[in-house]
Amino acid sequence: RKEVEQDPGPFNVPEGATVAFNCTYSNSASQSFFWYRQDCRKEPKLLMSVYSSGNEDGRFTAQLNRASQYISLLIRDSKLSDSATYLCVVNRGNTGGFKTIFGAGTRLFVKA
Amino acid sequence: GAVVSQHPSWVICKSGTSVKIECRSLDFQATTMFWYRQFPKQSLMLMATSNEGSKATYEQGVEKDKFLINHASLTLSTLTVTSAHPEDSSFYICSAVLATGSTGELFFGEGSRLTVL
Repeated sequence: RKEVEQDPGPFNVPEGATVAFNCTYSNSASQSFFWYRQDCRKEPKLLMSVYSSGNEDGRFTAQLNRASQYISLLIRDSKLSDSATYLCVVNRGNTGGFKTIFGAGTRLFVKA
Repeated sequence: GAVVSQHPSWVICKSGTSVKIECRSLDFQATTMFWYRQFPKQSLMLMATSNEGSKATYEQGVEKDKFLINHASLTLSTLTVTSAHPEDSSFYICSAVLATGSTGELFFGEGSRLTVL
């Protein structure tokens, strides 16, 4: 079993739809959590950090459930430009000794 | 935000030659840099963790003599693909973590696309 698991998709949704991605992690020592976005043939870019209290950035909402070791990303009012692969990223350790684990990514296609 | 620059963006080389890729943190110091490889339609695969002033830690299955990593300063790490072969053709990406006060956010270089003929 992988340490960070994501549904690979693809998710095919129409513009304006709400879509949710889930991610689970197996190591309870994991300390920080992120969602990254990767466009085709580009490097990943940070979308948002994920905090225990949940956090929102415009149309994007991220939530963390430490008890269930579960992270989610909700995208509201999907745009064509949201089409990308979304990577769940989990860190263990701290400055000087991070271990970063990437999920395999969830592909999203938003259609007109 | 922090910027990581990777060079070259594209490189085409003949089989048997060596290729060096540079990863620089432009406006911050990075104690730790990471090197990844990504094949088409696949996820990032961590190759090695590069710590300034010490030997890199390679992931299982990654040949350290094939992929030479040097992290001589807090702002520069290099990956050299030695005696490259067509199967080494891939997208190589580096990332860096802030040296101090970091929560683990990674800053990625733009990636280097290697094609070995």
